[in-house]
Amino acid sequence: GAVVSQHPSRVICKSGTSVKIECRSLDFQATTMFWYRQFPKQSLMLMATSNEGSKATYEQGVEKDKFLINHASLTLSTLTVTSAHPEDSSFYICSARDPGPNTEAFFGQGTRLTVV
Amino acid sequence: GIQVEQSPPDLILQEGANSTLRCNFSDSVNNLQWFHQNPWGQLINLFYIPSGTKQNGRLSATTVATERYSLLYISSSQTTDSGVYFCAAASNTNAGKSTFGDGTTLTVKP
Repeated sequence: GAVVSQHPSRVICKSGTSVKIECRSLDFQATTMFWYRQFPKQSLMLMATSNEGSKATYEQGVEKDKFLINHASLTLSTLTVTSAHPEDSSFYICSARDPGPNTEAFFGQGTRLTVV
Repeated sequence: GIQVEQSPPDLILQEGANSTLRCNFSDSVNNLQWFHQNPWGQLINLFYIPSGTKQNGRLSATTVATERYSLLYISSSQTTDSGVYFCAAASNTNAGKSTFGDGTTLTVKP
């Protein structure tokens, strides 16, 4: 199957700082990527849809100014958690699909963010 | 959006036993996937199965799209099968976004 690579896998940052997470589709071009967040013992919740060359669309309740998404190329989307706070500590995971309908979604390895 | 329900929420098995995990979804889908989340959080793709039946070793899955459910079968379970199993559904009417169920936590005891 296709490969989606996410970096870093773990990051610890201080309150008030910003953290950037990268999501790359290694062997296919992805016009759309998705960002999810998972709190301990919970399911994955969609945060936003990243669209290459245009603005991301955010799910209800997700602050777009706090979670900045950039999808500047067909193989890279970035999520920046700005002015991070301890409550932003979570597992963040991205996914991408091959273009076209009815295609499988491939997920990155995830990034465990801890804000201290 | 699509609602996805998984059952049971928790399952404890003795090694060697078989199990069936269920995923119900509320609307027509053109994408249904099963994942195993390992202890490090990584989602392992098990099946992409919007319809029909697939098998991979001790695992198999069946989706009956017209009745809006999918089943994951694990035979001869091993301790390494422990973890959380998620199903995720998507439809083109929802811009291809995957909606995850709450997962089934499987514990296989030696």
